[in-house]
Amino acid sequence: SQQGEEDPQALSIQEGENATMNCSYKTSINNLQWYRQNSGRGLVHLILIRSNEREKHSGRLRVTLDTSKKSSSLLITASRAADTASYFCAITTGTASKLTFGTGTRLQVTL
Amino acid sequence: DAEITQSPRHKITETGRQVTLACHQTWNHNNMFWYRQDLGHGLRLIHYSYGVQDTNKGEVSDGYSVSRSNTEDLPLTLESAASSQTSVYFCASSENSYQPQHFGDGTRLSIL
Repeated sequence: SQQGEEDPQALSIQEGENATMNCSYKTSINNLQWYRQNSGRGLVHLILIRSNEREKHSGRLRVTLDTSKKSSSLLITASRAADTASYFCAITTGTASKLTFGTGTRLQVTL
Repeated sequence: DAEITQSPRHKITETGRQVTLACHQTWNHNNMFWYRQDLGHGLRLIHYSYGVQDTNKGEVSDGYSVSRSNTEDLPLTLESAASSQTSVYFCASSENSYQPQHFGDGTRLSIL
């Protein structure tokens, strides 16, 4: 079963707006990771946040983690058309390296 | 630059045939993974390996096998292809559980 679930499933915004995607999970985690997937391509890593961290930034990306609520959010500020993609959260548990993915959020950024 | 490559990118085959998908990485990572991606399911783990001669079953391993004879390669074999195995397959590698995974561009497999 999927440990990570994204919300919303699809999001359509205009260029320049902010996009927020949420991820919920069911178990204790080692870390939580966000990936982007462009159509027809593999996944590209965006940010990794450890279970003892609450917030991380990378350029226009901001990730928060609330382990008490078992949830994370990904904020993309000042979205661009090139941000159009599917975004996935994934968790690792214990010392295992394997990832358990959510079903993803499809983001469409229009001009 | 280090990379991870999958071949073929596309394959069409018939039910009952044996199919092998290749994955080659030049990151020198010990950890390698195979996932399948289907609409409505996200990515699901098929098999994974933490080093040479090590293999482990994932969430959806039935009908699939892997072998790890060297660090660079983790081929995925469908012993007797079934239509339910029509999917996009992704290979990934990582250094350890505290580092992100690097993904190939996938193999689109159709089983008729």
